Amino acid sequence: KQEVTQIPAALSVPEGENLVLNCSFTDSAIYNLQWFRQDPGKGLTSLLLIQSSQREQTSGRLNASLDKSSGRSTLYIAASQPGDSATYLCAVIRNSGNTPLVFGKGTRLSVIA
Amino acid sequence: NAGVMQNPRHLVRRRGQEARLRCSPVKGHSHVYWYRQLPEEGLKFMVYLQKENIIDESGMPKERFSAEFPKEGPSILRIQQVVRGDSAAYFCASSPSGTPQLFFGSGTQLSVL
Repeated sequence: KQEVTQIPAALSVPEGENLVLNCSFTDSAIYNLQWFRQDPGKGLTSLLLIQSSQREQTSGRLNASLDKSSGRSTLYIAASQPGDSATYLCAVIRNSGNTPLVFGKGTRLSVIA
Repeated sequence: NAGVMQNPRHLVRRRGQEARLRCSPVKGHSHVYWYRQLPEEGLKFMVYLQKENIIDESGMPKERFSAEFPKEGPSILRIQQVVRGDSAAYFCASSPSGTPQLFFGSGTQLSVL
């Protein structure tokens, strides 16, 4: 059974700092891994999707890496801003069909101005 | 283009009442997923439906919960005889056929008094 763990559970940093969020998964047989952002009272916004054959994806100040063999992914946020404050969720999917995503519990990020 | 629409945003029910949660997928999407998020927990898969068919209901409690996605109209998640433990945020996601990329709604926050 796939389990996804995110560390830390919460993180508070001053504005401008670079930071790393960690995600680990127990079953390396994944099709892809996604990072989502969740704002309070709102739905999920997809940030980055990494296919199992890829090592990393970048979008603006965000960079996500994937090491499938060790069951790990990191989300790197450069030059953090107060608007980055949200909960960041990592999720994996087992195969290419329409199978359910398995989510971690998330990391709650606060960026202090 | 409208995204995934869920209503109501907030639903309050007393113990023993029924709760009906609605989800209109992105236009053209034929796959719908329901997830539940308990406080301080990650999103947990409940059920996956295609038009008129339940594909995977392995995450849905066997009693009191049911889901449908009729040929016409929104997908409905129905919870009968609600209990306090049903209080959670319920998220719906949709995807087009043949791709695992999901688009999430803003969720319905169910509170059972």
